[in-house]
Amino acid sequence: DAGVTQSPTHLIKTRGQQVTLRCSPKSGHDTVSWYQQALGQGPQFIFQYYEEEERQRGNFPDRFSGHQFPNYSSELNVNALLLGDSALYLCASSLGQHTGELFFGEGSRLTVL
Amino acid sequence: AQSVTQPDIHITVSEGASLELRCNYSYGATPYLFWYVQSPGQGLQLLLKYFSGDTLVQGIKGFEAEFKRSQSSFNLRKPSVHWSDAAEYFCAVPPSSASKIIFGSGTRLSIRP
Repeated sequence: DAGVTQSPTHLIKTRGQQVTLRCSPKSGHDTVSWYQQALGQGPQFIFQYYEEEERQRGNFPDRFSGHQFPNYSSELNVNALLLGDSALYLCASSLGQHTGELFFGEGSRLTVL
Repeated sequence: AQSVTQPDIHITVSEGASLELRCNYSYGATPYLFWYVQSPGQGLQLLLKYFSGDTLVQGIKGFEAEFKRSQSSFNLRKPSVHWSDAAEYFCAVPPSSASKIIFGSGTRLSIRP
């Protein structure tokens, strides 16, 4: 049973560029949440997708957007990258929206130069 | 607003010694509470959760946590740590909507041989 998979694992971008990160949820899960984890910090909630719609959003600017596909996989897009966007981006899946039992992928580490 | 505080940034214990990691929450009602663990270079894994009922909950890897409403705490304990327990530990609480998780800033655990 495959867990949550994320790609790419590492990437380097320059300021102003755009990036797309991808996530496949654990088999049987229908909800995907994205978190940003800066170095030495706890994960910060970006948004959650359920039934192909953004259901809840954290305190992140509109430069951060996402999508969920019919197969429940998801993408996180970040436009106009800033140095401060450098972080580990974690995808978490769950069965249903209202559960704290999240299954995390290993993350995509983004470095912005 | 709901929040969770982990007062200890870094703790070092000897292998075989007991462990207690502190977590305090701010929440209006009886919260759901979680502990997650993040090994180096990995995503987060759920250790245990409290929803209701018995205030002492057992988790994986020999961990337990006790919910104390009077102290607004949910401390994580283990009677005897192993070198493989070295990791970052996060306490977490979902706000009332329960569709996102708020994480504490984490406690890094080092094990002394």
